[in-house]
Amino acid sequence: SQQGEEDPQALSIQEGENATMNCSYKTSINNLQWYRQNSGRGLVHLILIRSNEREKHSGRLRVTLDTSKKSSSLLITASRAADTASYFCASPTGANSKLTFGKGITLSVRP
Amino acid sequence: DAGVTQSPTHLIKTRGQQVTLRCSPKSGHDTVSWYQQALGQGPQFIFQYYEEEERQRGNFPDRFSGHQFPNYSSELNVNALLLGDSALYLCASSFSGGRGYTFGSGTRLTVV
Repeated sequence: SQQGEEDPQALSIQEGENATMNCSYKTSINNLQWYRQNSGRGLVHLILIRSNEREKHSGRLRVTLDTSKKSSSLLITASRAADTASYFCASPTGANSKLTFGKGITLSVRP
Repeated sequence: DAGVTQSPTHLIKTRGQQVTLRCSPKSGHDTVSWYQQALGQGPQFIFQYYEEEERQRGNFPDRFSGHQFPNYSSELNVNALLLGDSALYLCASSFSGGRGYTFGSGTRLTVV
């Protein structure tokens, strides 16, 4: 079964707009991670937020975590065509344990 | 500093055959995990190797087996291939004391 469920499944926006993607999870987590995948290739780690953090920034990325609602959101500001990819949230069951992924969100950024 | 290296990048096999995929972890990492990603799905955990032992295993049949070598590199073996084994196989390495994972670019396996 999948821990994370991303929403929406697909998102299409114009370049320069912001993209917001949501993730809900089922069980308690130590941290939640967001990954990007281009064209069915390898996953690139974007950002990790710990369970005791509420918000974290990295460049144009902002991630929030609400442990009471078991949800997280990833905001990409001022999107670029190069941001077109699939985005996944994932959480480990413990230190260095397996990652459980959702089905992912397909983001298309139109030039 | 090389990241995670997987080989081969693409592979076509016939149903019933056996396949071996290889992974070299990022320098400094001692743990290797394997994931299977079917088209349009998220990656599914197969198993994890640490100190040359299988430490965790996902819900995959015994046809899927692995190995980790003293230099931390790893192999994934799949026997008696089925059409449903067609997928992208991803290797991820990490350091046992940390939280970060580095993924390789994957091996695209097609079973015909």
